[in-house]
Amino acid sequence: QSVLTQPPSTSGTPGQTVIISCSGGRSNVGTKTVDWYQHLPGSAPKLLIYSTNKRSSGVPDRFSASKSGTSASLAISGLQSDDEGDYYCASWDDSLNAYVFGTGTKVTVL
Amino acid sequence: EVQLLESGGKLVQPGGSLRLSCEASGFTFNIHAMTWVRQAPGKGLEWVAGISASGSSTYYSDSVRGRFTISRDNSLNTVFLEMNTLGAEDTAMYFCAKGGRGIWPFDSWGQGTLVSVSS
Repeated sequence: QSVLTQPPSTSGTPGQTVIISCSGGRSNVGTKTVDWYQHLPGSAPKLLIYSTNKRSSGVPDRFSASKSGTSASLAISGLQSDDEGDYYCASWDDSLNAYVFGTGTKVTVL
Repeated sequence: EVQLLESGGKLVQPGGSLRLSCEASGFTFNIHAMTWVRQAPGKGLEWVAGISASGSSTYYSDSVRGRFTISRDNSLNTVFLEMNTLGAEDTAMYFCAKGGRGIWPFDSWGQGTLVSVSS
């Protein structure tokens, strides 16, 4: 069981905005930066956001992220059918001395 | 273009051993940390192990520490994952990923190699 908790699923219609939460603790999200990864069906995972709010090269500005205290969030605006897949937050955990992924959130475009 | 090509995955019996390889190209291998991440069937991503650019520092998740060993050969642009005492819980797709100057985040990933542990 991961120390970073995400909702199992979320959905939206094309054009809508969906927000994915990532709840951690003081040993990870609370004191470390957060990264976000996208894992689309049949593809390798892809880095979307690093250092809490920086978009990786080539990632459109429809993807944005932030952090407050021990929680982080990823927003996907202008939702597109190509965005359908799994999204993971991740952070270094000082207590575990390990990089931890969140439980993952499946995004469905209705 | 960054390319990471994993190999070595196969069906192995419980208690067995396996060595995975990841050959890298398209970037200066010896200045980037590398890592292995796995995904068990129907489960999420799990970080397994990481190694610094020089190979002098290694990091492991609790679930594999003492059983798995990550190493690299910068002359071959290859990172390895030696896996011993394998159990059913190790059944997963294993991804190789490229880090930055630090172990994380991982900005390029391979397609993965499948490890199945079963009798």
